[in-house]
Amino acid sequence: SQKIEQNSEALNIQEGKTATLTCNYTNYSPAYLQWYRQDPGRGPVFLLLIRENEKEKRKERLKVTFDTTLKQSLFHITASQPADSATYLCALVGDSNYQLIWGAGTKLIIKP
Amino acid sequence: DVKVTQSSRYLVKRTGEKVFLECVQDMDHENMFWYRQDPGLGLRLIYFSYDVKMKEKGDIPEGYSVSREKKERFSLILESASTNQTSMYLCASSLASGSLETQYFGPGTRLLVL
Repeated sequence: SQKIEQNSEALNIQEGKTATLTCNYTNYSPAYLQWYRQDPGRGPVFLLLIRENEKEKRKERLKVTFDTTLKQSLFHITASQPADSATYLCALVGDSNYQLIWGAGTKLIIKP
Repeated sequence: DVKVTQSSRYLVKRTGEKVFLECVQDMDHENMFWYRQDPGLGLRLIYFSYDVKMKEKGDIPEGYSVSREKKERFSLILESASTNQTSMYLCASSLASGSLETQYFGPGTRLLVL
């Protein structure tokens, strides 16, 4: 079955450093992958989408890579700030174009 | 901006009660979704709808039903609430069928079933 894995342990990063989060998937070849941010008690908010034929996508301090050979996406936040502290979710399109398959998320903590 | 609203932020119900969770989106989106989110698990799809009066089962539909009588409104019904349905419920919408569709989420309803 399709499976997505994100690091379940919280990631602690010093302010100003680059935070890197990982999303691995198995038994699937998605056409695209999305990253969302979720704050406590809130719904996820879309950040970036990357297609299978794109190696890298950037948006301000955010960068996403997509390696279809490794079946992995990396999500980077450069010059991290305490306000970047949140849980970050990756999601892949499922067999149906309506359905996204979600990772459990990685909690990122940026320490001042 | 897309706005997705959910009828309650917090809800406490007793086992066996019928529970209604309402979701409304204001951007004329075709697709609407109901998920539940539990610690350590990803978002799990309960039901989705790609048009008025249309519904499709997601991964965990047992114990739930849905209703979409109007395009902007998607309701989740727990026919007879059980303690294992205690969870965070998230509604989402997306523009149209097909790929590359970002989902927009409501704030969530935290349901406690006693």
